[in-house]
Amino acid sequence: DAGITQSPRYKITETGRQVTLMCHQTWSHSYMFWYRQDLGHGLRLIYYSAAADITDKGEVPDGYVVSRSKTENFPLTLESATRSQTSVYFCASSELGWLDEQFFGPGTRLTVL
Amino acid sequence: TQLLEQSPQFLSIQEGENLTVYCNSSSVFSSLQWYRQEPGEGPVLLVTVVTGGEVKKLKRLTFQFGDARKDSSLHITAAQPGDTGLYLCAGGRIQGAQKLVFGQGTRLTINP
Repeated sequence: DAGITQSPRYKITETGRQVTLMCHQTWSHSYMFWYRQDLGHGLRLIYYSAAADITDKGEVPDGYVVSRSKTENFPLTLESATRSQTSVYFCASSELGWLDEQFFGPGTRLTVL
Repeated sequence: TQLLEQSPQFLSIQEGENLTVYCNSSSVFSSLQWYRQEPGEGPVLLVTVVTGGEVKKLKRLTFQFGDARKDSSLHITAAQPGDTGLYLCAGGRIQGAQKLVFGQGTRLTINP
């Protein structure tokens, strides 16, 4: 399917476990982003990538790791999940960069018990 | 502290009424985007405004960027139930780790 997909859509895990959220886009967009959405905070950027093998921190990167070995994939790993990482996570991509239209995936709702 | 403040945070009105949602900041932005997000989905871009004072219309939706590029408004005429959703503004910055900063959103409900 064309577009941007995220998996899983829902995940429940326990404190201390490692969790990986997947993101895949079919447009070959250069830029990809990971955001978390929490009530009252809007969307906060975790990490972004300007191209394959180029990643950089956003405003809330602590506790998260990303990689981008292929243009189309941008997985987000929580190395040791904490309750404060309970959130809805959105992946997005854009062709030209930050201020270009960002296309968002459907989100992953993560609960850390 | 939210860099972009949206007001109101919640708004529930009847079908056919008009409404305005505001997005305010003390910072200057190079551009301002408005997104709409429906339950269980990601945000979808509605419009981008880049020039101070710019007005863009999208059917019954009118978007305005403030003259000083610090604020924006979204006006909906004759609201319909299909307008229900979370409206997010996002400001473009030249500096900082996050070059597109989102407001916390306005949750709009249009009652039939």
